[in-house]
Amino acid sequence: EAGVAQSPRYKIIEKRQSVAFWCNPISGHATLYWYQQILGQGPKLLIQFQNNGVVDDSQLPKDRFSAERLKGVDSTLKIQPAKLEDSAVYLCASSLVQGVGETQYFGPGTRLLVL
Amino acid sequence: SQQGEEDPQALSIQEGENATMNCSYKTSINNLQWYRQNSGRGLVHLILIRSNEREKHSGRLRVTLDTSKKSSSLLITASRAADTASYFCATDAWTGGFKTIFGAGTRLFVKA
Repeated sequence: EAGVAQSPRYKIIEKRQSVAFWCNPISGHATLYWYQQILGQGPKLLIQFQNNGVVDDSQLPKDRFSAERLKGVDSTLKIQPAKLEDSAVYLCASSLVQGVGETQYFGPGTRLLVL
Repeated sequence: SQQGEEDPQALSIQEGENATMNCSYKTSINNLQWYRQNSGRGLVHLILIRSNEREKHSGRLRVTLDTSKKSSSLLITASRAADTASYFCATDAWTGGFKTIFGAGTRLFVKA
């Protein structure tokens, strides 16, 4: 079974530029998550989708971050404009259903460096 | 904000020794999960323990949960160099909707 795919793996941009990340979840997984993991910290949930609807985006900085999951499969996360503090690893995860205790399967992440 | 706090932040042991990591959390939970993250990679699910369970085993892993103290521990027995990784606890907590919240992690280094 193929895992969660993410691209690109690495990205270096200058502040105020824009960047987009792509995620392809495990086939058949209804729930998709985007996390931000700053160096030395645990992952922080940015947004959670159930199919193509947003379940939780309470920690998404909506003035600069946006995400979509068209057709309930692939998802993109965009940052515009980027700030220095956005330097982090952006992890995408998926789970079969939305529910308490559902195992989340993580992709390898996109490492973003903002200069 | 982080729900779980792992202790210690970092741990260095010799191969063959046991490693114990602790996690404390703040609010009532339904489940607690442990994940492992190897350097530069995504997280891998290790084990889930439900709030009505006190102990669970999986191979060389043993997890305990004490809901009265709002704490959990992960024990890795007979550690191997390949166990070198960061370990995170994640709680399913009610924050206006159930959400999985990760702690800051324990960095384990197993010396061969």
